[in-house]
Amino acid sequence: EVQLVESGGGLVQPGGSLRLSCAASGFTFSSYSMNWVRQAPGKGLEWVSYISSSSSTIYYADSVKGRFTISRDNAKNSLYLQMNSLRAEDTAVYYCARYSPAAIPYFDYWGQGTLVTVSS
Amino acid sequence: SSELTQDPAVSVALGQTVRITCQGDSLRSYYASWYQQKPGQAPVLVIYGKNNRPSGIPDRFSGSSSGNTASLTITGAQAEDEADYYCNSRDSSGNHREVFGTGTKVTVL
Repeated sequence: EVQLVESGGGLVQPGGSLRLSCAASGFTFSSYSMNWVRQAPGKGLEWVSYISSSSSTIYYADSVKGRFTISRDNAKNSLYLQMNSLRAEDTAVYYCARYSPAAIPYFDYWGQGTLVTVSS
Repeated sequence: SSELTQDPAVSVALGQTVRITCQGDSLRSYYASWYQQKPGQAPVLVIYGKNNRPSGIPDRFSGSSSGNTASLTITGAQAEDEADYYCNSRDSSGNHREVFGTGTKVTVL
């Protein structure tokens, strides 16, 4: 059974940093590209970042470029999101989501999410 | 940049059919995928590609596409289908960016 479990969320002050983790199990993690997607309270879904299976290709949404860093450790079956210079508008539930290996990929599995609250 | 627009809310009588639409330029180049999200839960993939359902998704869910519009149809809506639904596609502007629709709240009466 595919499982994605996020952790690392919490309350942080504006300008602060936080590192999110996503532990993967039930599939060959090193074969799949991964993403982070967030959802502000009461709002819709927003894609945040993408990393290829080998970490060779990385993309970010404009809203987080230069502040967030995605990474992975295939030996540990883990995905990470380092978030720096956090702003109030970064407050959201952060989901890790697996990318299907299809010609037109889609998010086939999601974790339960971890809440990040940026507030003084 | 590409945006995907959905109606904010629709309602459907129990057992009837409802269609949710998603409009955007990127849909001329890419199929949409659709996600169901119930309160306090993570999104769940319900339709991907031309009209494919993941294992475990009831066959009352179907997808279609024409021009710049993708549609998700629930035929014979059940009470458990009440949820938010989001479409998604790749941005067609050349940037590798995923775009989600604005979301549609489906109420089953």
